[in-house]
Amino acid sequence: AQTVTQSQPEMSVQEAETVTLSCTYDTSESDYYLFWYKQPPSRQMILVIRQEAYKQQNATENRFSVNFQKAAKSFSLKISDSQLGDAAMYFCAYFYGGSQGNLIFGKGTKLSVKP
Amino acid sequence: GAVVSQHPSWVICKSGTSVKIECRSLDFQATTMFWYRQFPKQSLMLMATSNEGSKATYEQGVEKDKFLINHASLTLSTLTVTSAHPEDSSFYICSARPGTSGGDYEQYFGPGTRLTVT
Repeated sequence: AQTVTQSQPEMSVQEAETVTLSCTYDTSESDYYLFWYKQPPSRQMILVIRQEAYKQQNATENRFSVNFQKAAKSFSLKISDSQLGDAAMYFCAYFYGGSQGNLIFGKGTKLSVKP
Repeated sequence: GAVVSQHPSWVICKSGTSVKIECRSLDFQATTMFWYRQFPKQSLMLMATSNEGSKATYEQGVEKDKFLINHASLTLSTLTVTSAHPEDSSFYICSARPGTSGGDYEQYFGPGTRLTVT
């Protein structure tokens, strides 16, 4: 069965600094998708970034980038120039299965940003 | 685009009563909708998957008779918590997957509903 592991329950970063959130997953599939979602205090789930497993190039969205290591089954999120608004829970998620599939979430990492 | 709404955003009900939560895809048709439950400081737990016009598929351990899901149209799914008890108090989140637009993996989340059972 597929599993997603986030080993950092909480992280803290100074405003304007860079922080990396870790995520590992377990799967026997070769074609799948990986996501990072942000859940701020409002609790609305917001898609931060998406990575297709067949793409070797790491996805980037403005200040957010990932380090996707397929062989190691690792998918870390780097947040550059951290802002106060980045403070939130971050969930790593795995998707496989096309129209029959569903997201599998990690337990989340709570990110605090210090001014 | 790709907005999902939930109503109500917060509901308080008495123990033993039933409460219905609506999930709507506002600007797309959703062939598949998902219902999640989230306890404080925890991750999302998938409760069930529903496809328009067919019975929902419940995850192991989720009581289908307590959590009734109806996906009556391509834009509306409802979750009814029957005979609610305080332990049903939680945050319920729905998400919707478009049928034809976007990839099979695209999934859009509603803002959630906080249920408090007294």
